Amino acid sequence: SAVISQKPSRDICQRGTSLTIQCQVDSQVTMMFWYRQQPGQSLTLIATANQGSEATYESGFVIDKFPISRPNLTFSTLTVSNMSPEDSSIYLCSVGQGTNGYTFGSGTRLTVV
Amino acid sequence: SQQGEEDPQALSIQEGENATMNCSYKTSINNLQWYRQNSGRGLVHLILIRSNEREKHSGRLRVTLDTSKKSSSLLITASRAADTASYFCATDALGTGNQFYFGTGTSLTVIP
Repeated sequence: SAVISQKPSRDICQRGTSLTIQCQVDSQVTMMFWYRQQPGQSLTLIATANQGSEATYESGFVIDKFPISRPNLTFSTLTVSNMSPEDSSIYLCSVGQGTNGYTFGSGTRLTVV
Repeated sequence: SQQGEEDPQALSIQEGENATMNCSYKTSINNLQWYRQNSGRGLVHLILIRSNEREKHSGRLRVTLDTSKKSSSLLITASRAADTASYFCATDALGTGNQFYFGTGTSLTVIP
């Protein structure tokens, strides 16, 4: 199955700043997915990133707040912009593996102070 | 949650007992998956069941799917302390582009 390298693993950021999270996959994949997991909660899908087109955002998430890049079939970034304490969460990227389900990165634990 | 809910929210059992978690979802699906998440760590895929399947086994795991009731269950038999984790179901939705939506999760504690 695919291996995903996600970084940074954690960060503490000042409110009003932005953080870019990177995910590198060891194989080419069509779709990459970005999730948010708030403390003690389940995962919420933020957006789907396809190479060569704009990301598709779920209800409640907008491009200005969470811009996504997908420059090739093995890499994607998610930026959390103009951060507030409410953005403190774990952010995860994932890729589909057919009948083997989805593989997840190890997550980025973001704390906004 | 975006797609489903699980119950119970939390479950505590003795080692060796069986654990059953239930997942209910909202729309018709292609596939349903179960994942495990150990505290503070990434998610691990456990099993995928297709909408035309009713039951699937993998080791000590047994998953059932009832599409008429829009529900699934995960049974872990002969539980071990190492099974302590949060368990999530995830469903796609017919007509979507392979996006999966997660249920609210069940926190399982297995007491040695």
